[in-house]
Amino acid sequence: AQKITQTQPGMFVQEKEAVTLDCTYDTSDPSYGLFWYKQPSSGEMIFLIYQGSYDQQNATEGRYSLNFQKARKSANLVISASQLGDSAMYFCAMREGRSQGNLIFGKGTKLSVKP
Amino acid sequence: GAGVSQSPSNKVTEKGKDVELRCDPISGHTALYWYRQRLGQGLEFLIYFQGNSAPDKSGLPSDRFSAERTGESVSTLTIQRTQQEDSAVYLCASSRRVGLATDTQYFGPGTRLTVL
Repeated sequence: AQKITQTQPGMFVQEKEAVTLDCTYDTSDPSYGLFWYKQPSSGEMIFLIYQGSYDQQNATEGRYSLNFQKARKSANLVISASQLGDSAMYFCAMREGRSQGNLIFGKGTKLSVKP
Repeated sequence: GAGVSQSPSNKVTEKGKDVELRCDPISGHTALYWYRQRLGQGLEFLIYFQGNSAPDKSGLPSDRFSAERTGESVSTLTIQRTQQEDSAVYLCASSRRVGLATDTQYFGPGTRLTVL
């Protein structure tokens, strides 16, 4: 079974609008971390935001926020006021507390921002 | 400060040849990870190092793949007798320490390997 599921292979959003990228996860470990990375066409993986399983509040970093619904095991990324430079692949990843440390990645969502 | 660096940025090789990929982690980061990303796919974990502990090799796809790391510095990933299915981007990441779910990994720019 997939541990990280991103159901949207591709998304379009109009510049200046908000967009939500979906991510669901599967783990029995009570301690885990959820991460979102951005990968532009240049290829580098850019860390965006982190949410811990015990965090009481949703994480926010500038225009990025994470809609964390623990009971539903979802960790959706919300990008507000989209910019053309937001066009990229977005990957959701999880690290389980009992693991040796590696991240488990979803297959990604390609976001295209239209002018 | 300096981020994770990798070399070469691109490598084209012939089937059957050996290749070495290099990663320089962020200074002070004790944990180092290698991942592989095939075209249009997410990242697959290969191997990780934490300080002087034995590496976790559970993600290596075959015995043609190996990696070394000297202390908390440079790491090399070696692929012997390369096959066309080894063509991918190989990404290295480092973090301050392992064992915490909060530990954030920072990635290098990757090495694009093409096996002809």
